[in-house]
Amino acid sequence: AQSVTQLDSQVPVFEEAPVELRCNYSSSVSVYLFWYVQYPNQGLQLLLKYLSGSTLVESINGFEAEFNKSQTSFHLRKPSVHISDTAEYFCAVSEEGGKLIFGQGTELSVKP
Amino acid sequence: GAVVSQHPSRVICKSGTSVKIECRSLDFQATTMFWYRQFPKQSLMLMATSNEGSKATYEQGVEKDKFLINHASLTLSTLTVTSAHPEDSSFYICSVNRGLGRQNTEAFFGQGTRLTVV
Repeated sequence: AQSVTQLDSQVPVFEEAPVELRCNYSSSVSVYLFWYVQYPNQGLQLLLKYLSGSTLVESINGFEAEFNKSQTSFHLRKPSVHISDTAEYFCAVSEEGGKLIFGQGTELSVKP
Repeated sequence: GAVVSQHPSRVICKSGTSVKIECRSLDFQATTMFWYRQFPKQSLMLMATSNEGSKATYEQGVEKDKFLINHASLTLSTLTVTSAHPEDSSFYICSVNRGLGRQNTEAFFGQGTRLTVV
C-alpha cells in the first residue's frame, strides 16, 4: 500500500520569508502526486499536481513543488509567503480507482 | 463556482439519533464519490467509495451498518451516521473525481460537514 509522510506537523514562518513543506511518499509504481490546501472548517482545494512531464510544477499563487523520484519526495515551496497563506497543507498520492492517500498535514502559520 | 456541494456544513445532534449528510456534484455526473473523515489536527481518512447504483465499498475498519451510504443518482451521494455517539463527532468531507483514467482525474471536495454529537 502506498503511504505519504509529511515530516513537519507545524511550520511557523514570518511574512515574506521563504517556506518549504516536506512530503515523502512510498510507492514502487508510477505515482501521481498532489498538494491540497485546507482553510479552517472548509474542504480541500487543489494547489498543484504532478502527473508526468516536467518535474517542477507551479500553482497560480506562487507555490511550486518538485517531483524527485530518487528521493521519493514532492516538497512544496514558496519564495515569499503572505498572511493569507496560513492554512493546513496536505500532500497526497493517488491510487487506482481515484482514491487519494493523504499525508498527516502541515499547519503553515504565517506571522506578521 | 463550487463543483461539489455538501450539506449541511454544521450539525449538532443528540446521542442515539441519525444524521444524513448530502454530497452533490454540480457540474458533472459522478459514478463514484468518496467519503472522508477528518479528526481535529489530523489527516483525512478514506471511509468508503460510493458507487452509483450499487453498494458502497468500505475501507477496513469502517462499520458499514454505522455509516450508511446511498448513491441513488449520478449527482447525489448521502452518508447517514446511524445511532450517533459522541465518538462519531468529526469533520466529514466528500469528494468527486472528474475525468477518466487515473492520470486525467481531478478530485473536487465538498465544503465539509462538522458533526457534533452531544
